[in-house]
Amino acid sequence: SQQGEEDPQALSIQEGENATMNCSYKTSINNLQWYRQNSGRGLVHLILIRSNEREKHSGRLRVTLDTSKKSSSLLITASRAADTASYFCATDAPGGSEKLVFGKGTKLTVNP
Amino acid sequence: SQTIHQWPATLVQPVGSPLSLECTVEGTSNPNLYWYRQAAGRGLQLLFYSVGIGQISSEVPQNLSASRPQDRQFILSSKKLLLSDSGFYLCAWRETGRRTEAFFGQGTRLTVV
Repeated sequence: SQQGEEDPQALSIQEGENATMNCSYKTSINNLQWYRQNSGRGLVHLILIRSNEREKHSGRLRVTLDTSKKSSSLLITASRAADTASYFCATDAPGGSEKLVFGKGTKLTVNP
Repeated sequence: SQTIHQWPATLVQPVGSPLSLECTVEGTSNPNLYWYRQAAGRGLQLLFYSVGIGQISSEVPQNLSASRPQDRQFILSSKKLLLSDSGFYLCAWRETGRRTEAFFGQGTRLTVV
């Protein structure tokens, strides 16, 4: 399985601090995506990074990708209480499959 | 704009009863459609995905089945629910062949009692 594995499983920080979450995967990928899920809701797409990119920014989000280590990280800078949520990475299966597989997620708690 | 509808939001069903969860997408054609299940506090398990009408790929052999009777309709079913079928079920879609972001419904919380 090419399923991503995020770590840590849970992360608790204070408002204003940065939060870093990591994702590792097993097979080659075309791209890697990060999603956010508020408790009891559907997932919302945050950012996509392609296999030929090493870093991407979107607002307070910074994503890096290291294909040699099969890993990615999501950094949220200057966190806010509203960033409290679970964060998941997702990868497409190699080849022509349309299968989209998610990791187990990191539960982030930002304390006011 | 595209929207995805998933219903019901919550469902309590007795063991052995049938299940039908429906998901529809508006504003796009020939989407890829996905069913995921999420156990409490856990990650998303891909159950089924579909690249076209009548085309269903099953990822995990279990007590569930999926059907796609129309282009933008995806149905998750069971003939007889088990306690282990309890969970949070999520439907998602994305554009065919582009491997871009997926858009999720709001989910169905299923409790089998």
